[in-house]
Amino acid sequence: QAHLAQSGAEVKKPGASVRVSCKASGYIFEAYDINWLRQAPGQGLEWMGWLNPKNGNTGYARQFEGRVTVSRDSAKSTVYMDLTGLTSDDTALYYCAGGTEMSSAWDFWGQGTMVTVSS
Amino acid sequence: DIQMTQSPSSLSAPVLGTVTVTCRASQSISAYLNWYQHKPGEAPKLLIFTASTLQSGVPSRFSGGGSGTDFTLTISSLQPEDSATYFCQQSYSTPYTFGQGTKLEIQ
Repeated sequence: QAHLAQSGAEVKKPGASVRVSCKASGYIFEAYDINWLRQAPGQGLEWMGWLNPKNGNTGYARQFEGRVTVSRDSAKSTVYMDLTGLTSDDTALYYCAGGTEMSSAWDFWGQGTMVTVSS
Repeated sequence: DIQMTQSPSSLSAPVLGTVTVTCRASQSISAYLNWYQHKPGEAPKLLIFTASTLQSGVPSRFSGGGSGTDFTLTISSLQPEDSATYFCQQSYSTPYTFGQGTKLEIQ
């Protein structure tokens, strides 16, 4: 059964960067794309980008281009999401997610990582 | 970007009742529409993908329909555990976008 375990909560100052990790288990790491999403307090879900673990190809939402990088370490079955130039607007719960039937319909998710940006 | 408009924003219904949530896309997305259930403190749960395909393990009282721009999620025989926020997501093109959610209260 596919499972994703994310790193713990982070508190960052404005202008800093954050790295959130997402460790896969229970399946062949290269089998499913991993997506990153976030949900700010009181807001809806927002898709940030995706990574193909087999070849490392990535795609990002336009509003995050230049600030977000998704990468992987296949030896560790782990996907990383780096976000730079943090502002208070980046305070949110960040999720990684994948789809077993369809790469864009996500049936397994990490538990979420809270990132708080505050001076 | 494709805009997803979901309604209503909240609703209340009795146990064993039936509710329908609608989702409208700003352009045709064929059947590339997914529905999720989200409870506080939990990750979202995929209920339905490609508009009407029930995800494995999801009770059959959840059903989805529609194509093009208009879609529905119907929950029949409501149970107390159905209390949650439901949201739609288009998977037609990136950036994948979501409806704002419908908060369902079970009376």
